[in-house]
Parts: sequence; C-alpha cells; structure tokens
Amino acid sequence: GAGVSQSPSNKVTEKGKDVELRCDPISGHTALYWYRQRLGQGLEFLIYFQGNSAPDKSGLPSDRFSAERTGESVSTLTIQRTQQEDSAVYLCASSLAGGAAGELFFGEGSRLTVL
Amino acid sequence: GQNIDQPTEMTATEGAIVQINCTYQTSGFNGLFWYQQHAGEAPTFLSYNVLDGLEEKGRFSSFLSRSKGYSYLLLKELQMKDSASYLCGRLGDKLSFGAGTTVTVRA
Repeated sequence: GAGVSQSPSNKVTEKGKDVELRCDPISGHTALYWYRQRLGQGLEFLIYFQGNSAPDKSGLPSDRFSAERTGESVSTLTIQRTQQEDSAVYLCASSLAGGAAGELFFGEGSRLTVL
Repeated sequence: GQNIDQPTEMTATEGAIVQINCTYQTSGFNGLFWYQQHAGEAPTFLSYNVLDGLEEKGRFSSFLSRSKGYSYLLLKELQMKDSASYLCGRLGDKLSFGAGTTVTVRA
C-alpha cells in the first residue's frame, strides 16, 4: 500500500485478555519499529526489526509483550494478559534502511483500551 | 532513553519565532530527527541532521552540534496550525525519541 497500515485502529478489551496488533509496512522497507504512546506523552521504543538481523527487543516492558515479523513484511505485536497500564496508542513505523537513510513513516496507530 | 531531553511545553504568539532545544547522549550517535505530531494523529517527518550546522526548509530550520550533543528546531512566522507536539529523535543503533515539546500558538 501507499503507507504504513495498522489494524485494528481501536481495540477495547478486558483486563487479562490477550490482544494482537498488526502492522503492514511500506513495501520494500527493511526496518520496522513499534512504539507505545501513552496519553499526552512521547514515543516509548518497544522493538526494532532490521532485515534478517535479530530484532532489538530492549524496549519491551515485560515478558507479556512479544512481536514477530515475517521477512520484510507484516509484523504483529502481541500483549498477553493485558493490564490497565497497557492502555495506549501503539504506533508502527517503517523505513527504507535502519541507518542514516531511514526517515521513518508512521502508521495511524492502534488505540488500545484495557478495562 | 538515550538521555534525550527537550522542554515539555512552549507558548508563543502567531507570527513569532520559537526555538525548541534538544540535548542527547553523544556516544554512538548517527543522526538527529525532528517530527511533528498533531493531537490524535501520527508523527510526520520534519527534518534530519547528520552534519553540524543549520538546515533550512521553509519556515522550519534545524540545527545540530555533534560535539555538544545539541540540536534545535526553529519555527518562524508561527501559524495557528503549528500548534502541535514536536519530537526530537536520536538515531543510534535504533531511533529513540524524547518526550516531546507541546507548542501552543496564540492569536
């Protein structure tokens, strides 16, 4: 597609349930990021995929969070046993390369509300 | 992360100039991004600096000093539509952002 696509755009779930968020990056973009943004706050780095390299998972806040990427295409972020503190907008972004050429293009985000 | 610091809020008058400062950790530095984010929307790219100096792009300019670990975003001839959050992003082995500066433009 023309841009980064994320789904669902909105998700309301009950505490303790698992959720899966999906990101379709721009075709040909080798780098893919997930960020979390709580209301009124900045972007919190979660995980970074670059080509076939091992992902940088250093930002994942707990073992309830995991992410996968199929080659250089779709990525899914999974949150198990959701907690109210997980409520946030989850933003996905992709770029042509992970380094200096890599202007990031963001999706519209998935807004997660945990009741 | 990466000790990226920027002011939380700034207020300015329409037509004025505002400078948003950003300081960051210098080790492993590969470049500095600025993004604009309107409320409820995704961030959009404004500028990228990898060499020292000033990059001008219309009403917006961005400056970098690698030795000082310092950058600023300069917004000139402020318009109401410039009211937004401005995110300083440091590129190391990955791209990390500061908490953002909320700029409010008053008539």
